[in-house]
Amino acid sequence: DIVMTQTPSSQAVSAGEKVTMSCKSSQSLLYSENKKNYLAWYQQKPGQSPKLLISWASTRESGVPDRFIGSGSGTDFTLTISSVQAEDLAVYYCEQYYDTPYTFGAGTKLELK
Amino acid sequence: EVQLVETGGGLVQPGRSLKLSCVASGFTFSSYWMYWIRQAPGKGLEWVSSINTDGGSTYYPDSVKGRFTISRDNAENTVYLQMNSLRSEDTATYYCAKDRGYYYSGDRDYWGQGVMVTVSS
Repeated sequence: DIVMTQTPSSQAVSAGEKVTMSCKSSQSLLYSENKKNYLAWYQQKPGQSPKLLISWASTRESGVPDRFIGSGSGTDFTLTISSVQAEDLAVYYCEQYYDTPYTFGAGTKLELK
Repeated sequence: EVQLVETGGGLVQPGRSLKLSCVASGFTFSSYWMYWIRQAPGKGLEWVSSINTDGGSTYYPDSVKGRFTISRDNAENTVYLQMNSLRSEDTATYYCAKDRGYYYSGDRDYWGQGVMVTVSS
């Protein structure tokens, strides 16, 4: 199974700060035939279902603010929030869909400083 | 508007069975893979099962293989999860989710509100 490791597990932030969080996979998520990284980022607010933010490691979903930026390739990925807003306080999960079993990281919780 | 509505959760004793349903609307159901994902209380997300567009292919992690069965009825726009031999570690909120891509991409762009399953004597 592909193991997904997210760091940090939690982060205290202030509104307007730039935030970065990491996701590392135990094997490459880059599929050589199409050059795509099979990595997604989800946001889950308290009491809500997860929301897809980013697919293919860096493709923002329609309607997702452009302050959310996904980057990385292979085994190392990053989600950056360029200027955190109060509504961004949530848990962020990365997930690999390169192979079954699909696996998620343990999440990074953004909290208010 | 895409909607996924799960039903069928509840309290069940260890070793018993439960069947979840997810009714979909707002998209061409028969053209999308569907998934069940679960989340134990206060924990992270775990993929539970996947089913392809015509129901002919299904996938499970080892933790539920042989106990859970996913199926779909494209005429009724519904996906099911039959859960047998339930264990306390199956206690979780179960989410139904839709594949993002037409026919298949592997990630999920819409999730239901979730249904709680509690396995306890």
